[in-house]
Amino acid sequence: EVQLMESGGGLVKPGGSLTLSCAASGFAFSSCNMNWVRQAPGKGLEWVSSITSSSSYIYYANSVKGRFTISRDNAKNSLYLQMNSLRVEDTAVYYCARSRFVPGSIGDFDYWGQGALVTVSS
Amino acid sequence: EIVLTQSPATLSLSPGERATLSCRASQTVSTNLAWYQQKPGQAPRLLIHDASNRATGIPARFSGSGSGTDFTLTISSLEPEDFAVYYCQQRSNWPLTFGGGTKVEIK
Repeated sequence: EVQLMESGGGLVKPGGSLTLSCAASGFAFSSCNMNWVRQAPGKGLEWVSSITSSSSYIYYANSVKGRFTISRDNAKNSLYLQMNSLRVEDTAVYYCARSRFVPGSIGDFDYWGQGALVTVSS
Repeated sequence: EIVLTQSPATLSLSPGERATLSCRASQTVSTNLAWYQQKPGQAPRLLIHDASNRATGIPARFSGSGSGTDFTLTISSLEPEDFAVYYCQQRSNWPLTFGGGTKVEIK
């Protein structure tokens, strides 16, 4: 069974930093592209970042570029999102999501974790 | 950036009725479009990929159609568990984008 479990969420002050982790199990993690998607309270979904299976290609939304860093450790079946210079508008539930396999493409998202809440507030 | 516009924002229907949800892209995405269902307090679930292909385990009452800029998600006969918010998402161009969502509520 595919499982994705986020951790590391919490309350942080504006300008602060936080690192989210996503532990993957039940599939060949090292073969899959992975993603972070967020959802502000009461709002819609926003793609944040994607990383290919071997970390060769990394993509960011303009809203987080230069502040967030996505990474992965295939030996540990883990995905990470380091978030720096956090803003109030970064407050959201952050989901880890697996890309459906599509040759030559990041794909859409076929499995999702339950999410980690990040609250940025003074 | 490709903007996806979903309509209507809210759809009020009764169980057993047919639901038709629309997603329009600001430029062509070919058939690189997916649909997701999200219930309160839950993560989204992939329903349809590549505009018209049901994801694994998705009931046949869900169907998708369209290409280019205009897409439709149809639920042929609403079950009680289908009342939720539905999002479309394109993977044709970076950045990946989602529509604003359509809430299907019980009338």
